[in-house]
Amino acid sequence: GAVVSQHPSWVICKSGTSVKIECRSLDFQATTMFWYRQFPKQSLMLMATSNEGSKATYEQGVEKDKFLINHASLTLSTLTVTSAHPEDSSFYICSVDRGLRGYTFGSGTRLTVV
Amino acid sequence: AQSVSQHNHHVILSEAASLELGCNYSYGGTVNLFWYVQYPGQHLQLLLKYFSGDPLVKGIKGFEAEFIKSKFSFNLRKPSVQWSDTAEYFCAVTLYGGSQGNLIFGKGTKLSVKP
Repeated sequence: GAVVSQHPSWVICKSGTSVKIECRSLDFQATTMFWYRQFPKQSLMLMATSNEGSKATYEQGVEKDKFLINHASLTLSTLTVTSAHPEDSSFYICSVDRGLRGYTFGSGTRLTVV
Repeated sequence: AQSVSQHNHHVILSEAASLELGCNYSYGGTVNLFWYVQYPGQHLQLLLKYFSGDPLVKGIKGFEAEFIKSKFSFNLRKPSVQWSDTAEYFCAVTLYGGSQGNLIFGKGTKLSVKP
């Protein structure tokens, strides 16, 4: 079964509202999780590195006030898209760094902002 | 800036044909290399990875990849593809000693296998 659970798998929200996406590591205590965004026909782009107990590290060009990341425990990281706009519509994927076992990805969240 | 290049956007093969997907990276230091597969409607799954040792790496489902340091390449191969191999394949790199865990992905290669 899945070792990284991402929820919800899809969400539709109105422009201006906020959406929270959860990423749970089910079998590994993850000090580090990652949030990616995938545009159509493009590769995954790293948005931020989520660090348990400390602030996330954002990639250049990613608005930290818009994409809030919280990693309050070793098994859960959340990404909140605040004041969502249609251009935020995308596929968001989390992954867990499981050391020598490599990276395991969540199943992704399709966000549509209308 | 570091980057990963996958040469083919879309590859179409017949069943039993041999497969080789190209992957090159631009970074002069030590790297860890990965190939991921994303089947239609599913999330990314790890096919194989190279950290060190034998540069010929065998993964799941009959895939293998060869790390050629002098060519900055990590091409994915399979001797005989099946219809079930239809998927998108991503090459990825992490920079050892740099931003640990920061996977840099290629843009992916879509493989379509005709039955």
